[in-house]
Amino acid sequence: AQSVAQPEDQVNVAEGNPLTVKCTYSVSGNPYLFWYVQYPNRGLQFLLKYITGDNLVKGSYGFEAEFNKSQTSFHLKKPSALVSDSALYFCAVREGQTGANNLFFGTGTRLTVIP
Amino acid sequence: KAGVTQTPRYLIKTRGQQVTLSCSPISGHRSVSWYQQTPGQGLQFLFEYFSETQRNKGNFPGRFSGRQFSNSRSEMNVSTLELGDSALYLCASSEAVFNYGYTFGSGTRLTVV
Repeated sequence: AQSVAQPEDQVNVAEGNPLTVKCTYSVSGNPYLFWYVQYPNRGLQFLLKYITGDNLVKGSYGFEAEFNKSQTSFHLKKPSALVSDSALYFCAVREGQTGANNLFFGTGTRLTVIP
Repeated sequence: KAGVTQTPRYLIKTRGQQVTLSCSPISGHRSVSWYQQTPGQGLQFLFEYFSETQRNKGNFPGRFSGRQFSNSRSEMNVSTLELGDSALYLCASSEAVFNYGYTFGSGTRLTVV
């Protein structure tokens, strides 16, 4: 069965510092991995995905994530945090092409960037 | 392209009533999925439709149902509403059978009183 763990409910970082939001996953086959961001009273906005290929994935708004198969991780990173990055971040996984066509989400990590 | 449109944005219903939520996917997208988001349970998959057929269903009671029309628009229905059904209901659309990307709508906030 698929599952996603986001071990930190809350991450605080100073503006201009690098940020990392952690995600580990569990799937039976090859994972398709996603990061989404949610602002208050809004839906989910797509940031980036890993399907196959290069382990370092670059996405929207300067975010990137590294797929690590041996550690089953897909941590979200940004070199320099902005106050506007403050939001709720969700990691999600689905099982490759043979898996069911739905996403399993982590519980979310609230990122606060302190001015 | 217009994004995924969900209507209404907010809804207040009384226990025991039923409700219908609507989702219009991105033009050309044939897959529509529904998710429920609550503070306690997080984001949970409800069901997915592709070409008017339900392909996958999450672990929700039969009070939750859905359908998809020939123009790919989808509706979900919740009958006999309970207080615990209060949630943000999100719809996501994607192009093909094997999804490489999902675009979410802004959601419908349902409050059951």
